[in-house]
Amino acid sequence: SQTIHQWPATLVQPVGSPLSLECTVEGTSNPNLYWYRQAAGRGLQLLFYSVGIGQISSEVPQNLSASRPQDRQFILSSKKLLLSDSGFYLCAWSINNSPLHFGNGTRLTVT
Amino acid sequence: SQQGEEDPQALSIQEGENATMNCSYKTSINNLQWYRQNSGRGLVHLILIRSNEREKHSGRLRVTLDTSKKSSSLLITASRAADTASYFCATDPSTSGTYKYIFGTGTRLKVLA
Repeated sequence: SQTIHQWPATLVQPVGSPLSLECTVEGTSNPNLYWYRQAAGRGLQLLFYSVGIGQISSEVPQNLSASRPQDRQFILSSKKLLLSDSGFYLCAWSINNSPLHFGNGTRLTVT
Repeated sequence: SQQGEEDPQALSIQEGENATMNCSYKTSINNLQWYRQNSGRGLVHLILIRSNEREKHSGRLRVTLDTSKKSSSLLITASRAADTASYFCATDPSTSGTYKYIFGTGTRLKVLA
C-alpha cells in the first residue's frame, strides 16, 4: 500500500534561518507531488506542485522553493525564513486525477 | 488564490442532527472533492464527484453538484461527535491542464454530544 512520510512534525526556527522540509512517498511510481500551506484556521494555499523529477511549478511568489531530486521525494526549502512563513505545511501526492493523499503536516513557527 | 468558498465558516449542531455545508467555485471544473481535517492533522479524502454527475452518496455522506451555479453541498446525516472536524472542498479546474487542486476556506463543524 502507498504511504507518505513528512517530517519533522514540528519546527521552531528563528527569522533568517534556512528551512528544509522533506516528504517521501512509498508504494507508487511517478506520483504528482504537492506542497500546501495552511495558516491558522484557514484554508490551504497551493505553493508548489510537481508532475515529475525536476519539474516544479510555483503557484505563489515567495521566498520558498521546492525540489524533486527523486521520483518520490519532494523537498521544500528556504534560504532565509520570514515571520510570515509560519504555518502548517502539508505534502500530498496523487496519481493523475485521483484524490490527494496527505501527510500529517509540519507545524512551522518562525520566531 | 482560493477557488472555493465554503459556507458556513463554522457550524455547531447536536449529535443526531444533519449537517449541511456548501461550496462555491469560480471556474469550470473536471471534478470536485470533499476532504476532512481533524485538528492539527493532514486532510483525508471523503468523496469525489465528477462534473457530469449531480449527486453521489457514500455512507452517511451525500454530495450534490450544480455546475450551472458552480456550487456543491455536502450533507452529513445523523451526525456523531466524531464528525467534529473541518471540511474542505477542492476543485480540479478544467482549464489548468494539470492535476492542480485548489481548496476552499473550509467549514468548521462541531457536533455536540
